[in-house]
Amino acid sequence: GQQLNQSPQSMFIQEGEDVSMNCTSSSIFNTWLWYKQDPGEGPVLLIALYKAGELTSNGRLTAQFGITRKDSFLNISASIPSDVGIYFCAGRQETSGSRLTFGEGTQLTVNP
Amino acid sequence: ETGVTQSPTHLIKTRGQQVTLRCSSQSGHNTVSWYQQALGQGPQFIFQYYREEENGRGNFPPRFSGLQFPNYSSELNVNALELDDSALYLCASSLPLQETQYFGPGTRLLVL
Repeated sequence: GQQLNQSPQSMFIQEGEDVSMNCTSSSIFNTWLWYKQDPGEGPVLLIALYKAGELTSNGRLTAQFGITRKDSFLNISASIPSDVGIYFCAGRQETSGSRLTFGEGTQLTVNP
Repeated sequence: ETGVTQSPTHLIKTRGQQVTLRCSSQSGHNTVSWYQQALGQGPQFIFQYYREEENGRGNFPPRFSGLQFPNYSSELNVNALELDDSALYLCASSLPLQETQYFGPGTRLLVL
């Protein structure tokens, strides 16, 4: 089935550093979503993107919908310990109804 | 707090048994999607229910079935459990025709 390639798989950073992660696909997506998942919890929506080229911020988080509609990135500025968790990108294709396709996740560790 | 609730939180079954997982959608959301998340992987789409009917299905065998009730709550049923069915099962709700899905905390199923 369709896959999203998410990178990096894991990141180990110091508190205060900026973080960047991305998601790519060989197919076009009409919507990109970024979620964060803590251990034992369900994914929590961070940012939703609906138009190619769209740049959206949510506090220290910024995400962009790639102009080719085949990629998206998420930046976290001035990381803090509570940013620790797994970040997932998810996309929706026009031909797949409301089905979301998820990436494999980026495990973020922030050292105080 | 997303408002999506799931029960039970944890469940242990043996191979060949049947299991029913339950989900209550967020207030006002009449679309419910189910995902399977194996350890270390992103969620995989199982199926979606809208207006009490299945509205899209992922690559899962027929022994995975579901229901949606008039109050928009939903059930996921899995028959003839296999060891590989061990996973976190996530329910997500959304408004009709909206891509943004809000997840519950999940049900952790272990098949022995």
